[in-house]
This record gives sequence, C-alpha cells and structure tokens, in this order.
Amino acid sequence: GAGVSQTPSNKVTEKGKYVELRCDPISGHTALYWYRQSLGQGPEFLIYFQGTGAADDSGLPNDRFFAVRPEGSVSTLKIQRTERGDSAVYLCASSPGLAGGTDTQYFGPGTRLTVL
Amino acid sequence: AQTVTQSQPEMSVQEAETVTLSCTYDTSESNYYLFWYKQPPSRQMILVIRQEAYKQQNATENRFSVNFQKAAKSFSLKISDSQLGDTAMYFCAFMNTQGGSEKLVFGKGTKLTVNP
Repeated sequence: GAGVSQTPSNKVTEKGKYVELRCDPISGHTALYWYRQSLGQGPEFLIYFQGTGAADDSGLPNDRFFAVRPEGSVSTLKIQRTERGDSAVYLCASSPGLAGGTDTQYFGPGTRLTVL
Repeated sequence: AQTVTQSQPEMSVQEAETVTLSCTYDTSESNYYLFWYKQPPSRQMILVIRQEAYKQQNATENRFSVNFQKAAKSFSLKISDSQLGDTAMYFCAFMNTQGGSEKLVFGKGTKLTVNP
C-alpha cells in the first residue's frame, strides 16, 4: 500500500500570494496531522483531524492558515497572504485513529514552501 | 506545556561502532509516549522506536534500543553496529495520551554522521 503523499514537493511563491498544500493519507487512516518544520528545527504541530473535523487546531499560528478535510481523506492546508516567515517544510502525517489508542504517525515527504 | 530537549546538535560515529543520542523532556503527565524518528535528506520522517511510559522495560528494535529513565525524564537512543545508512537527523518526540490530541512535540534534533 502507498504511504502518505504530499503535493507539490516544492512550491515557490511571492509574498502576499495564496497557496494550497495537499496531503493524501494512507488509505483507511482516520487521523491526519499537519506539522511545520523550519530550517534547523524539529517539526511543530499545526492541526489534527479526526475524520472530517479538526479536533485540535491550537498550533495554527494565525488566521492566515486554514486546513480542511471535507471527505475524511485528503486534506488541504491553505495559507493566505503568504509572508517570508512562512517559508518552511510542511509535513503531513496520518495514523489509523483507533479509538482509545495512541497510534504511530506515518509521515509524508513534505512540501517545501519558499516565499520570496 | 511539554518540552523536549536534545542537547547534542551534531554527533559522529565510525561505522560498526555504537553511539548514544540524548533526549530529556519535561511534563507533569504520568501517561505518555516517547518516540525517536529518523529524517534522512529525503525529508521523510521514519519511526525508529517508541516507548510507552507505563512500561518499565526498555524498547528495542534490532540495532536500536532506548534507555528510558522516567524519574529523570530521560529517553536516550542507542544505535549499535552503526551503518552508513544511519546517517540522518534524529528527532526525539513526546506524545501526551490524555486530552484527546495526539500531537507530537519534537526536539530540535541531532544530526548523526556515520563515517566509513
């Protein structure tokens, strides 16, 4: 079975533009996570979905960031009015989401976003 | 809030030798999980090993083992018989099992180089 996939692999945009980053989780995984990894740092949590709903969005830095998962599978991270400080690798992870369990998270290869 | 500290930004080891990477964490919780992830240049985070805090026995996975000291809040990773393919960034991560959000909190990472 395929792992977590993310598109695009790399995205270069200009300051002020809108971008969308896509994540395809492992088939059947109900839990999905977005993390942001700045240069020289560990990943930082952004948002967690259980099914279609955002169970925890406490990591979103401000209201320019938004994420959706309308059908409980693919997720899109949306960034409005991009700033140079948004430049980072955006990682997506999924896990089975078993009730009461603490599942291993499987990561995708990330999208490297560069804001010029 | 939980924090994870990796005090060794870089380490190197000769092929076939043993190396230990350090990790400490801070939490007031009693139930949690700890993880070591490997991130090669391809960017994909790969789970190396995980440890449940309620288990006294240290986890092992082939050449990888941990030294989990709960009272000291220490979680070090030992890599035996190091191989060139072990060269990567290694991240220690913490997950709180209570509160409903299974987000990972990562340290800043240790860059490990295995020399031939």
